[in-house]
Amino acid sequence: AQKVTQAQTEISVVEKEDVTLDCVYETRDTTYYLFWYKQPPSGELVFLIRRNSFDEQNEISGRYSWNFQKSTSSFNFTITASQVVDSAVYFCALSENWGSGAGSYQLTFGKGTKLSVIP
Amino acid sequence: DGGITQSPKYLFRKEGQNVTLSCEQNLNHDAMYWYRQDPGQGLRLIYYSQIVNDFQKGDIAEGYSVSREKKESFPLTVTSAQKNPTAFYLCASSITGMNTEAFFGQGTRLTVV
Repeated sequence: AQKVTQAQTEISVVEKEDVTLDCVYETRDTTYYLFWYKQPPSGELVFLIRRNSFDEQNEISGRYSWNFQKSTSSFNFTITASQVVDSAVYFCALSENWGSGAGSYQLTFGKGTKLSVIP
Repeated sequence: DGGITQSPKYLFRKEGQNVTLSCEQNLNHDAMYWYRQDPGQGLRLIYYSQIVNDFQKGDIAEGYSVSREKKESFPLTVTSAQKNPTAFYLCASSITGMNTEAFFGQGTRLTVV
């Protein structure tokens, strides 16, 4: 079963529009972390945000905001007043205990959402 | 500057050959990872290592091998047993622990010719 679902494969918006990228996750752990990464055309993934399972406060960073809701297992990402430089593939990821060894954690990624911002 | 360096950026391989992708980090991170990225598939974990001289298989380890002889280095060998090796490969590292973000290299694009 897919642990991180990003249902939107591709999204196109016109510059200055707001856009929300959806992420739904699945885990049995009570302690886990959620992440968002951005992958520009250069290929390197860039870390955007981390959220732990005990902190449901929304977070805003400039034009970016994140809405975490445990009740619906969602961690959605909104870009306000989008810009062409926001064009990229965005990945949601889940970090949970994996394996029997201490410190055995791994990141499980969704399949990504490709965002195109049209001038 | 601290970071992760992957080399080469582009790699071509003939069928039946083994190739090794390099990954070096100077962030003093204990954990290192290899991911494979295919169009529309997201990132899938190949191998990971939490500490020197120890590594674990990820979701798609068949046809791949790794070593972790030094903290800074985590090379990935794509063997001839890997039936469909053409892909984009990303190496990452992190401080051990689930709450730490991973830092990624710029990737190696491997093409079988």
